[in-house]
Amino acid sequence: EAGVTQSPTHLIKTRGQQATLRCSPISGHTSVYWYQQALGLGLQFLLWYDEGEERNRGNFPPRFSGRQFPNYSSELNVNALELEDSALYLCASSLGGFGTNYNEQFFGPGTRLTVL
Amino acid sequence: GIQVEQSPPDLILQEGANSTLRCNFSDSVNNLQWFHQNPWGQLINLFYIPSGTKQNGRLSATTVATERYSLLYISSSQTTDSGVYFCAVGPSGGSYIPTFGRGTSLIVHP
Repeated sequence: EAGVTQSPTHLIKTRGQQATLRCSPISGHTSVYWYQQALGLGLQFLLWYDEGEERNRGNFPPRFSGRQFPNYSSELNVNALELEDSALYLCASSLGGFGTNYNEQFFGPGTRLTVL
Repeated sequence: GIQVEQSPPDLILQEGANSTLRCNFSDSVNNLQWFHQNPWGQLINLFYIPSGTKQNGRLSATTVATERYSLLYISSSQTTDSGVYFCAVGPSGGSYIPTFGRGTSLIVHP
């Protein structure tokens, strides 16, 4: 069974540009989570999508946005890129969804975004 | 929000040694996972363990939910165990907002 996949592996952008990151969950999983791991700052929760709806978001500005498609894949968009957006962006999927207590997460390999 | 503290922050071992990593959390939880992040950044699932004890080869974990802590045991450590170990918890009730600890960085020398 295929795991969580993310693309691209690496992404280099300049300040002010937009970045689009993609994630495909494990087959059958309806929840997708996005995290940012900046150097020295640990994993910070960004967004949670379940059944096409945004269920929760972390403490990030509105220029971080995303969506979940009918096939449960997801896209993270970062507008007006800033230097401090440089980080590893990790996507996870879960079989458990909104309203359930079970939320075991499985992570993809990540997209490393560099903003110059 | 829920607070998660991991200890020790750094650990250096010789191959073959045993170790215990700890995760303390400030509130009751429905979900708790241990991960190993390899040098390439991939997070590998080790255990899903909101309560009880589990074992997988040289690794085992115990969560005592009533006392708000979890332990990860690594026995007969190998150089491939090097990396960062994270504990992640989700609070009881309501929407799941996962919180990660800062991790324990483990280096195993041959």
